[in-house]
Amino acid sequence: AQTVTQSQPEMSVQEAETVTLSCTYDTSESNYYLFWYKQPPSRQMILVIRQEAYKQQNATENRFSVNFQKAAKSFSLKISDSQLGDTAMYFCAFMNLRGAGSYQLTFGKGTKLSVIP
Amino acid sequence: KAGVTQTPRYLIKTRGQQVTLSCSPISGHRSVSWYQQTPGQGLQFLFEYFSETQRNKGNFPGRFSGRQFSNSRSEMNVSTLELGDSALYLCASSLEGGQGFTDTQYFGPGTRLTVL
Repeated sequence: AQTVTQSQPEMSVQEAETVTLSCTYDTSESNYYLFWYKQPPSRQMILVIRQEAYKQQNATENRFSVNFQKAAKSFSLKISDSQLGDTAMYFCAFMNLRGAGSYQLTFGKGTKLSVIP
Repeated sequence: KAGVTQTPRYLIKTRGQQVTLSCSPISGHRSVSWYQQTPGQGLQFLFEYFSETQRNKGNFPGRFSGRQFSNSRSEMNVSTLELGDSALYLCASSLEGGQGFTDTQYFGPGTRLTVL
C-alpha cells in the first residue's frame, strides 16, 4: 500500500515571501502521479499542480512549482510571492496509474498554511 | 464547463437512519470517486465508479455503498448511520480514457453530513 507523509502540520509565511511544503511518499510502483491540492476555509478542494513520475522535469504552474526527487520519493511544493488567498490546507496526494490502488488518491494529513499580511 | 456538483450541501440525520448523497461530474467525465474527510482520519477513499461499474473500493464497511448511472452521475448511500459517519463527503470526477488509463481528479464542494 502507498503512504504519503506531510511532516509539517502547520506553517506560516509573510505575504510576498516564498514557502516550501514538504511531502514524502512510499511506493513500490514506478508509474504514478503526484498532486498538490489546496483546500481553503470554503472547503472546496482545488488542484494546484500535478507531476507525472515518468517526467524528470519539475512541474510549474505560475507561482507554484514542485521539486520532485523520484529516488528519494520526495515531492515538495514551493509557493513564490505568497498571497493572502494562498491561506489554506495543502494536501499532497499519490495515485497509481496501474494495478492496485489505481483510480484512487492517497492523501497525506495536510499542511495548514497561513499567509500573514 | 460547470464543475462537479454535489447535493445536498448540508445534511443532518440521526443514528440509525440512512442517507443518499448525489454527485454530478464535470461534463464528459466518466469516472467518479468518493472520499470521506474527517478531522481524525483525514481524507479516505470510499469507492470509484466508471461506466456504472465499481472498479475500486476502500476499506469501509458494507453500510457504505454507491452506484453510477448511465449519464455518469453517482450516488452514495450510507445505511444505519453512526455518530462516526459525521464527515465531509467529497466527490471527484476525472476524464477517463479507458483501458486502465487514469487521470486527474477534480473535486466538488462536498456534502457536510452530521449524525446526531
